Amino acid sequence: GQNIDQPTEMTATEGAIVQINCTYQTSGFNGLFWYQQHAGEAPTFLSYNVLDGLEEKGRFSSFLSRSKGYSYLLLKELQMKDSASYLCAVRTTSGTYKYIFGTGTRLKVLA
Amino acid sequence: GAGVSQSPSNKVTEKGKDVELRCDPISGHTALYWYRQSLGQGLEFLIYFQGNSAPDKSGLPSDRFSAERTGGSVSTLTIQRTQQEDSAVYLCASSRDSHYGYTFGSGTRLTVV
Repeated sequence: GQNIDQPTEMTATEGAIVQINCTYQTSGFNGLFWYQQHAGEAPTFLSYNVLDGLEEKGRFSSFLSRSKGYSYLLLKELQMKDSASYLCAVRTTSGTYKYIFGTGTRLKVLA
Repeated sequence: GAGVSQSPSNKVTEKGKDVELRCDPISGHTALYWYRQSLGQGLEFLIYFQGNSAPDKSGLPSDRFSAERTGGSVSTLTIQRTQQEDSAVYLCASSRDSHYGYTFGSGTRLTVV
């Protein structure tokens, strides 16, 4: 079957660093994506990993280990506006670009 | 257009009525997707269009759901004889290049009463 697991909720303090983990078991793998979704809004693309290793984009980094079926999203220098849900998604085939999404991790950033 | 546009943004309908949800993708994006997001659930894939054809419609939950795309652009998702379990946010996304992920629309919040 297809399964993507992420923690339901996390809390962190403004200015801190937080790591959101994602583990997956899918019938194929062709890339892992992270999206940010503020309440009531559309998800917005954050990062993409298809090879093992770390991808860095400003305050956000994403890591992938295909052999372990594991990814994490690292957010540095947290800001209040980072309070949102973070969705992990795996693309399972290269043909349809269909994604399997996790249920998301709701991050609360406290002052 | 500059982004993915969906209409209506909110729709309240009576159980048993038909509804049509519209998606206008980013100009030049050949791939178009419909997803559904229910409370507390992950995004659930419904259907994928490449141009006007739908090579993957495996996520449509029942034969009450159908979708079409015309001119390689606008897509319409139709739900017939709506049920309360159809209540969800229906998200449309389009994609030009797989490396950059989808661009989602703001969604249509459907409430069946």
